[in-house]
Amino acid sequence: KAGVTQTPRYLIKTRGQQVTLSCSPISGHRSVSWYQQTPGQGLQFLFEYFSETQRNKGNFPGRFSGRQFSNSRSEMNVSTLELGDSALYLCASSLGASWNEQFFGPGTRLTVL
Amino acid sequence: AQTVTQSQPEMSVQEAETVTLSCTYDTSESDYYLFWYKQPPSRQMILVIRQEAYKQQNATENRFSVNFQKAAKSFSLKISDSQLGDAAMYFCAYRSAGGTSGSRLTFGEGTQLTVNP
Repeated sequence: KAGVTQTPRYLIKTRGQQVTLSCSPISGHRSVSWYQQTPGQGLQFLFEYFSETQRNKGNFPGRFSGRQFSNSRSEMNVSTLELGDSALYLCASSLGASWNEQFFGPGTRLTVL
Repeated sequence: AQTVTQSQPEMSVQEAETVTLSCTYDTSESDYYLFWYKQPPSRQMILVIRQEAYKQQNATENRFSVNFQKAAKSFSLKISDSQLGDAAMYFCAYRSAGGTSGSRLTFGEGTQLTVNP
């Protein structure tokens, strides 16, 4: 069974631009969660989508948004990029229940110049 | 809100020796899950071991075992017979078992483990 895939793996943007990251979960998984990892703030939860609905949201500004499609693939969008948005963005998929294991993708490394 | 604290930013161990990584957490919930994840230089997060809060028995996975002290809100990871491949950043994580929390994980700051040959 194929694992969680994230595209692109690396991205360089400039301040003020917007970016869209994609996450394809493991087949059959309906939950996709997104995390931001930075040296200063560590791993922080962004949001979770389950069956095309946002089920949970972390404490991030409205510039961070996401969505999930009917095939469970998810995208996250960051508008008006700031230098502080430079980070590794990880997504994780699971079947959706709290006891189900989450499987992480390899991440997208975003650099904002 | 739940918090997870790892007080050891860095640890080192000799190959074949045993090392214990510490984790404490704070929660008012009675039902939850605790995890240890490993993140090697490739940045791929890998689940090492999980513990259900309602289980008194400590979880074990081959060379990895935990010491779960619910009353003390402590969840340490013991790695026995350490191998060079164990070198990585280790994260302790918490997940509520409540229906509204979904799959949300709260992570600690991480412990960088070095294995010396």
